[in-house]
Amino acid sequence: QKEVEQNSGPLSVPEGAIASLNCTYSDRGSQSFFWYRQYSGKSPELIMSIYSNGDKEDGRFTAQLNKASQYVSLLIRDSQPSDSATYLCAVKGQAGTALIFGKGTTLSVSS
Amino acid sequence: KAGVTQTPRYLIKTRGQQVTLSCSPISGHRSVSWYQQTPGQGLQFLFEYFSETQRNKGNFPGRFSGRQFSNSRSEMNVSTLELGDSALYLCASSIRGDYNEQFFGPGTRLTVL
Repeated sequence: QKEVEQNSGPLSVPEGAIASLNCTYSDRGSQSFFWYRQYSGKSPELIMSIYSNGDKEDGRFTAQLNKASQYVSLLIRDSQPSDSATYLCAVKGQAGTALIFGKGTTLSVSS
Repeated sequence: KAGVTQTPRYLIKTRGQQVTLSCSPISGHRSVSWYQQTPGQGLQFLFEYFSETQRNKGNFPGRFSGRQFSNSRSEMNVSTLELGDSALYLCASSIRGDYNEQFFGPGTRLTVL
């Protein structure tokens, strides 16, 4: 059973701090990794994708991938109250396999 | 450009009934995926359709089925509803099934009594 694990949280950080969200996966053959943000009562929206080891930066967001450790993370710099949401990690294996989601980490940014 | 639309947005059914949910993808998108989201299990993949063909299927019982029409609109059907089928059903579309271009609809909230 392929799994994607995330701490459910809540992860609480003060405004302006760095929020660090972590995700581990079981399928060593996984090739594509995604972070979605889901506000309460809304549908998920894609914020980052990463495919190779290392860091990928997009504005205040940085995704980090370590395939050897089967670990992917999302850093949010200068956290804002508007970043308060549930962050879902999703992992895709080889061609023909489905996207598997973690259960999400709830982030709360206090002003 | 219009987003992914899902109808109905809310639905209440009783056990044993069946239900059909509809999803209209973004214009030009040929791939539609369906997901079930519950507080306990999170977001789980149901199936994916591309050009009217089911390309992938998740680990759900045969009561869950779907189809895609030539205009890329998709429907999913759940027969013999159970209490545990109460969930938010989300569909997502993409041009070719590339998950880095996948956009979700607002979802259909199904309650089974």
